[in-house]
Amino acid sequence: DAGVTQSPTHLIKTRGQQVTLRCSPKSGHDTVSWYQQALGQGPQFIFQYYEEEERQRGNFPDRFSGHQFPNYSSELNVNALLLGDSALYLCASSTGQGVYQPQHFGDGTRLSIL
Amino acid sequence: AQSVAQPEDQVNVAEGNPLTVKCTYSVSGNPYLFWYVQYPNRGLQFLLKYITGDNLVKGSYGFEAEFNKSQTSFHLKKPSALVSDSALYFCAVPRGNTGKLIFGQGTTLQVKP
Repeated sequence: DAGVTQSPTHLIKTRGQQVTLRCSPKSGHDTVSWYQQALGQGPQFIFQYYEEEERQRGNFPDRFSGHQFPNYSSELNVNALLLGDSALYLCASSTGQGVYQPQHFGDGTRLSIL
Repeated sequence: AQSVAQPEDQVNVAEGNPLTVKCTYSVSGNPYLFWYVQYPNRGLQFLLKYITGDNLVKGSYGFEAEFNKSQTSFHLKKPSALVSDSALYFCAVPRGNTGKLIFGQGTTLQVKP
């Protein structure tokens, strides 16, 4: 049973570029959340998708957008990249939007901005 | 607003000794609390959760956590530490009734042989 898978594992971009990160949830999960983890910090919530709609959003600018597909997989898009966007981007999946079920995390995409 | 705090950046313990990683919380209503572990260059792995019921929660890899309402704490414990337990540990609380997890700043656990 595959867990949460993310691609690519590493990515190098330059300022001003755009990037798309991908996530496939754990089998049986229908909710996908995205987090940004800067070096030495705890993960920060970006947004959550359920039934192909953004349901919750953290304190991130509109440069950060996402999408969920009918098969529950998800993409995170970041436009006009800044140096401060360098971080580990984590995808987490769960069953429903409820708080009771633990979220299962992928190994992340390490994004470096030059 | 829901929040958690981890007062120690790093905890050092000798292999075979008991370990404690501290977490305090500030929530309105009934607290739901989680512990996750992160190994280098990996994502977070779920260890255990407190929803309601017994104050001592047992989780994966021999870890347990003690919920203390009067002290608003949810400390992670293990009776006998292993070198392989060395990792970064996060406690977390969901915001309201959403799946938005609020994480502490993390505690690095170093277990020395």
